[in-house]
Amino acid sequence: GAVVSQHPSWVICKSGTSVKIECRSLDFQATTMFWYRQFPKQSLMLMATSNEGSKATYEQGVEKDKFLINHASLTLSTLTVTSAHPEDSSFYICSARDSRSPSSYEQYFGPGTRLTVT
Amino acid sequence: AQKVTQAQTEISVVEKEDVTLDCVYETRDTTYYLFWYKQPPSGELVFLIRRNSFDEQNEISGRYSWNFQKSTSSFNFTITASQVVDSAVYFCALIFDNYGQNFVFGPGTRLSVLP
Repeated sequence: GAVVSQHPSWVICKSGTSVKIECRSLDFQATTMFWYRQFPKQSLMLMATSNEGSKATYEQGVEKDKFLINHASLTLSTLTVTSAHPEDSSFYICSARDSRSPSSYEQYFGPGTRLTVT
Repeated sequence: AQKVTQAQTEISVVEKEDVTLDCVYETRDTTYYLFWYKQPPSGELVFLIRRNSFDEQNEISGRYSWNFQKSTSSFNFTITASQVVDSAVYFCALIFDNYGQNFVFGPGTRLSVLP
């Protein structure tokens, strides 16, 4: 149990285009999902917190108009990188918090999506 | 402040050596959870262990062991008889129950085990 998928696992896009990344909890419901970004040889940094049915909360320095987050169902959150630039090239990982659990530690990571913008 | 420090950026050992990865954290909450994750070159995070702030018992799992000391705010990870397959980046991370509930990651330690 407790599986989180991400799609696609990798994507290459041209500068100026948009790309959508999906994060799905496969066998549990997730009211809250988190999006992290990891640049090469760096740690994972929280970008935003996604709550089902409401607007996402973005960390300081993350452009909400550039990184659009939609959490339309209890099992799916999407991150759309709009007008992508080479500096957006990164590894994007989501985690999903199991809604059934009262404990915040019941979170599970997706396998990540590697985005390359050319 | 919510912060996790891993002072060792990179470590190289020869196979069969023991190695300890350090983790020190800062907390403003009494309820928190500490984790260790392994990240191989594929990028996918591999869960190793979770400890809550009320459980200071050390744990051993095969060649892995963890030492949690609240008095020094440390949660160190030891690999005994290291193997080449242990080569990866290891992250120490923290979740606070009452603040955000997101993971706060340390900078990571890149471990290279040489044959």
